[in-house]
Amino acid sequence: EADIYQTPRYLVIGTGKKITLECSQTMGHDKMYWYQQDPGMELHLIHYSYGVNSTEKGDLSSESTVSRIRTEHFPLTLESARPSHTSQYLCASSGRRPGNTIYFGEGSWLTVV
Amino acid sequence: AQTVTQSQPEMSVQEAETVTLSCTYDTSESNYYLFWYKQPPSRQMILVIRQEAYKQQNATENRFSVNFQKAAKSFSLKISDSQLGDTAMYFCAFSWDSNYQLIWGAGTKLIIKP
Repeated sequence: EADIYQTPRYLVIGTGKKITLECSQTMGHDKMYWYQQDPGMELHLIHYSYGVNSTEKGDLSSESTVSRIRTEHFPLTLESARPSHTSQYLCASSGRRPGNTIYFGEGSWLTVV
Repeated sequence: AQTVTQSQPEMSVQEAETVTLSCTYDTSESNYYLFWYKQPPSRQMILVIRQEAYKQQNATENRFSVNFQKAAKSFSLKISDSQLGDTAMYFCAFSWDSNYQLIWGAGTKLIIKP
């Protein structure tokens, strides 16, 4: 199995709270990604990074923000959570070469009440 | 625009049967990479099989094999001797040399019945 870890796995929070989803990988991968996925549905890329101090927005507009201060760490933050943010968030990483396999974490299930 | 289409939202077969999941894609790129990923219920997404477009030989991994038809832009996944543990969402995806992201299909939910 791939060495990419997400915490928390499950989180229920109230509207307006600030949350940070943590993601760490021990494979030394340059590229990291955050996807949003509703149950049984397709994946939507919301953020990606090519390396330290590099972050880009993905295809799906998101109110979340990310940072990449260390190669192994790619946290996602929501400043003010809303019920519309309820979803599963998947972190992933890959090597720098095109066509490299993407490895996924186990996901963080977020419920905003 | 680069797209991936999985035309079967859901499929179900009996254990030990063979099942084929379809995937078509659209691209003008000459060198690209195709993937099938598996997402079991409440578990981690993992790579099932990978194919490089310049390789004519179809990729195989144990019970999993692909039928790669480059001219038709088709990349189907065949699962032989299906097992209960094959129950999952299956996603087809591709990337190309000048793009570092994957383009994903909508997924096929596969149910293996005992």
